[in-house]
Amino acid sequence: AQSVAQPEDQVNVAEGNPLTVKCTYSVSGNPYLFWYVQYPNRGLQFLLKYITGDNLVKGSYGFEAEFNKSQTSFHLKKPSALVSDSALYFCAVRDSRSTGGFKTIFGAGTRLFVKA
Amino acid sequence: SQTIHQWPATLVQPVGSPLSLECTVEGTSNPNLYWYRQAAGRGLQLLFYSVGIGQISSEVPQNLSASRPQDRQFILSSKKLLLSDSGFYLCAWYSGRAGGNEQFFGPGTRLTVL
Repeated sequence: AQSVAQPEDQVNVAEGNPLTVKCTYSVSGNPYLFWYVQYPNRGLQFLLKYITGDNLVKGSYGFEAEFNKSQTSFHLKKPSALVSDSALYFCAVRDSRSTGGFKTIFGAGTRLFVKA
Repeated sequence: SQTIHQWPATLVQPVGSPLSLECTVEGTSNPNLYWYRQAAGRGLQLLFYSVGIGQISSEVPQNLSASRPQDRQFILSSKKLLLSDSGFYLCAWYSGRAGGNEQFFGPGTRLTVL
């Protein structure tokens, strides 16, 4: 069975400081991993994904994430946070062996608050 | 480019009333379509998904149902709403025959059942 854990309900960081939003996962096969961002009363927006290859993945708005197979983690990072980064962030996983429905499992979300 | 529409954007309904939420996708053909519910601004619960016209898979037993009458149209329905049906409903689509693509989400419908 697939599962995703985001251990922090909220992350607080000062503007200009680096940020990390944590994610760990569990799948039977190889994982496809995703990060999405949601602003209030909006749909989810895709940020980045890991499918294969380089463990460090770069995405939109200066975000990046590092895939760590031994720790089954896929933490989201940004070197310098902006107030406008404040939002709800979701980590998601899909088993590479999934077919047909290609179901994705989402974490509970982590609220990022960047203080000016 | 592909776009996904949901309507209505907001809806306030009394308990026991029927429900119909609509999702349409433009710019792609034969997509996988999904309905999610998000309660209290947190995690997403997959309700239904569809891999083709008339093909519906239900993930969670409840008083909701889904239909896909056309390739790019996905409808979420209920005959009698419950208070617990309140939430933010998101439609998403997925394209491709391999598992490595991302999903794209609609703007959502905020449903309040009173």
